[in-house]
Formats: sequence, structure tokens, C-alpha cells
Amino acid sequence: EPEVTQTPSHQVTQMGQEVILRCVPISNHLYFYWYRQILGQKVEFLVSFYNNEISEKSEIFDDQFSVERPDGSNFTLKIRSTKLEDSAMYFCASSERGGRAQYFGPGTRLLVL
Amino acid sequence: GENVEQHPSTLSVQEGDSAVIKCTYSDSASNYFPWYKQELGKGPQLIIDIRSNVGEKKDQRIAVTLNKTAKHFSLHITETQPEDSAVYFCAATEAGYGQNFVFGPGTRLSVLP
Repeated sequence: EPEVTQTPSHQVTQMGQEVILRCVPISNHLYFYWYRQILGQKVEFLVSFYNNEISEKSEIFDDQFSVERPDGSNFTLKIRSTKLEDSAMYFCASSERGGRAQYFGPGTRLLVL
Repeated sequence: GENVEQHPSTLSVQEGDSAVIKCTYSDSASNYFPWYKQELGKGPQLIIDIRSNVGEKKDQRIAVTLNKTAKHFSLHITETQPEDSAVYFCAATEAGYGQNFVFGPGTRLSVLP
């Protein structure tokens, strides 16, 4: 069964450093998403991406964040200058169409020191 | 914007008993409601979903009911098993172009053997 994959599974970085989180969505899916989950809290939407552009973003997704689909398979989330409060689990998800079932990857646990 | 509330926050049941988790949403335009199961250290896994044109949907031991008028929907798990123990999240979205999910705060279900 196809699944969303994410790398790395864990990332530790120093405050102010840039990090890139990578995702490979399900191959025939057209919509891609990033969510984050701070430890013990609910999953929060960051951004959705379709047709090589951002279709929607939350207040969390400020200028420090960017997304890119550099090739036909990868979908990346970049945090330019990490802050302590960026420490969270970051989930990538994909769906065949907008508003349809979204399938989540296993997540990347980001720790900013 | 959409706001999703979920109750209870924790639920303990004996193996074989039923479990019910309830969610309410605020945006009457929302028309797609998925439920996710999250096991420790893993990404959310879609277990069932329902669209607003349907009042109930069932998949083996899992069922979801939707009351559009009252703006609430519920997850029902029958004949619970220890492997059902996890955190369950409901979500709501207005189906359409790249729409994000708004998640509830989650319910930690413990099935006691």
C-alpha cells in the first residue's frame, strides 16, 4: 500500500540554524500539506500546496517558513532561522484531491536547542 | 474560521465494551469529517471519514455519525480491543481546493484487558 515517507525521522539543531524537512507524498496525489504537533497538543495546519504553489497557509506559517517541490517526487519544508518554539513533530500529508482524505507520513521530530 | 471541540479528553473502557468520542464544529460550511488514530511516535492514521451528505458510515467495528443541524459528529468503536488504545483526533474541513483540516484536541483511549 502506498504511503507518505518523511526524512529525517529526528533532527536536532541549534537556534538560528536552517533546517529542511523532506517528504515524498503518495505518487498519484496532487495536494500536499505540512502540519505540526507540539508535544501533547493537537495537530495544527501549516500550509497546503497544489500545482506548484501555496494554496493556503496558517498564521503559524510566517516568513521563516517556505515550501518547495524541487522535483517530481519530493516536497520540502524549510525553516530559515529556527526558534526554540519551532520544536515539534512535523507531519507531511498528501491527498488525491482537495478536501479528500489526507494521508500522513510518520513525521519528523525537530528539536531546537 | 473553523473550531473543533472534542470530548472526552481521556476515555478508559474494558476490552469488549464500546467507546464513543464526540466532536462539535463551528463552521456550517464544513462538509468533510475524518477521524484519525495516532499511536505513540507515529503519524495520524485515517480510520474513517464522512461527508455532510451522509448521516452515518460504518466500517467493521468503527462507525461515525453526523448531525449537521447540531454540528456534531461522533466516533463509535464496538468490541474494543487493547490495540485500539491510542489518541483519536477528529477533524473538519470545507471540502474544496486545498482546504486544510482543523483538528480537535484529541481523545486518549485506553482499552483495559
